[in-house]
Amino acid sequence: AQSVTQPDIHITVSEGASLELRCNYSYGATPYLFWYVQSPGQGLQLLLKYFSGDTLVQGIKGFEAEFKRSQSSFNLRKPSVHWSDAAEYFCAVAIVTGFQKLVFGTGTRLLVSP
Amino acid sequence: GAGVSQSPRYKVAKRGQDVALRCDPISGHVSLFWYQQALGQGPEFLTYFQNEAQLDKSGLPSDRFFAERPEGSVSTLKIQRTQQEDSAVYLCASSLGWAMRNEQFFGPGTRLTVL
Repeated sequence: AQSVTQPDIHITVSEGASLELRCNYSYGATPYLFWYVQSPGQGLQLLLKYFSGDTLVQGIKGFEAEFKRSQSSFNLRKPSVHWSDAAEYFCAVAIVTGFQKLVFGTGTRLLVSP
Repeated sequence: GAGVSQSPRYKVAKRGQDVALRCDPISGHVSLFWYQQALGQGPEFLTYFQNEAQLDKSGLPSDRFFAERPEGSVSTLKIQRTQQEDSAVYLCASSLGWAMRNEQFFGPGTRLTVL
């Protein structure tokens, strides 16, 4: 069955430091992969997505992610974290059923220290 | 320029009560999705509409859950005889089309607490 694993429940990063959030997926075919951010009381916002082509994907707010088929991974990175990046981050894979049926990971909560 | 809106934002129900959760998608969006997000978990797919047609309801956890979108715009998720395990945030999302590349835009969710 399709699944997404985010091994880190919480991560604390100092403001200005670099960030990497891990995501591993299990899916038989070529995956469609996504990263979403959820701030308290807000809906999910799409940061970036991978469908095909260049394996390094650029997103909004200075985020990027790299698709590595050999490792079944799609890790999210940011070179310098801002306090406003503190939020919950979700990785997701879309099952190809004729529409975009998303399977989410359990999320990683990012805390940013001064 | 409104996004997806949901109402109510918070709902407290006594066990056994029926509840109705409303979703107003972005105008013109063909696709509409419902997700359930339990505390500390990622969202889980419940059901999908393309216009007024409910094409996938495989994620609905029991026959107490029912969703409709009669005119292809506003959608309602109804839960009958609520149970404590139904406590969660219910998220609605819409997208312009049905293709895999169409971005889903999420509403703020309705937090349901069943006592």
